[in-house]
Amino acid sequence: AQKITQTQPGMFVQEKEAVTLDCTYDTSDPSYGLFWYKQPSSGEMIFLIYQGSYDQQNATEGRYSLNFQKARKSANLVISASQLGDSAMYFCAMREGWESGNKLVFGAGTILRVKS
Amino acid sequence: EAQVTQNPRYLITVTGKKLTVTCSQNMNHEYMSWYRQDPGLGLRQIYYSMNVEVTDKGDVPEGYKVSRKEKRNFPLILESPSPNQTSLYFCASSLRDRDGYTFGSGTRLTVV
Repeated sequence: AQKITQTQPGMFVQEKEAVTLDCTYDTSDPSYGLFWYKQPSSGEMIFLIYQGSYDQQNATEGRYSLNFQKARKSANLVISASQLGDSAMYFCAMREGWESGNKLVFGAGTILRVKS
Repeated sequence: EAQVTQNPRYLITVTGKKLTVTCSQNMNHEYMSWYRQDPGLGLRQIYYSMNVEVTDKGDVPEGYKVSRKEKRNFPLILESPSPNQTSLYFCASSLRDRDGYTFGSGTRLTVV
């Protein structure tokens, strides 16, 4: 089974509007972390936001927030007030425990295009 | 500046010619890892290392080797590259049991 599923291969959003990028995950480890990364056309991986499995509140970082629904195993990224510079590939990733090698497991990604 | 440095950024090579992609971090991280990125598949782990002289296979290790002789360096070796290893490669590092991963800038490899 896929550990990280991003069901939206591509999304369009109008500039200044909010957009939600979906991510569902699958793990039996009670301790895990969820990440979102942005990859612009230049190729580098830019860390956006992190949510720990024991965190009581949803993570926020500026215009980015993570809608964490633990029972549903979803960790959707919400970008408020979209900007043209937000056009990029977005990856959801999960870290399981150190015993699992501390590795990040990535989803296939969602390409976001912001329209002016 | 805390960073992970990969070299080269771009490489075109021919089938069968051994190559090494270097990775170095200056943050004293125990954990280092290599990923490859292919369209529609996201990033997949090739090899990882939990500390010096401790390495293990990730999800797609075939055709690759690694070594970890020093804490800061984690080179990726392709002994006999093939066209199906054409990909974008990332090195990443982190502290044990911590959640911040630092990625290198990526190496775009083309094997013809």
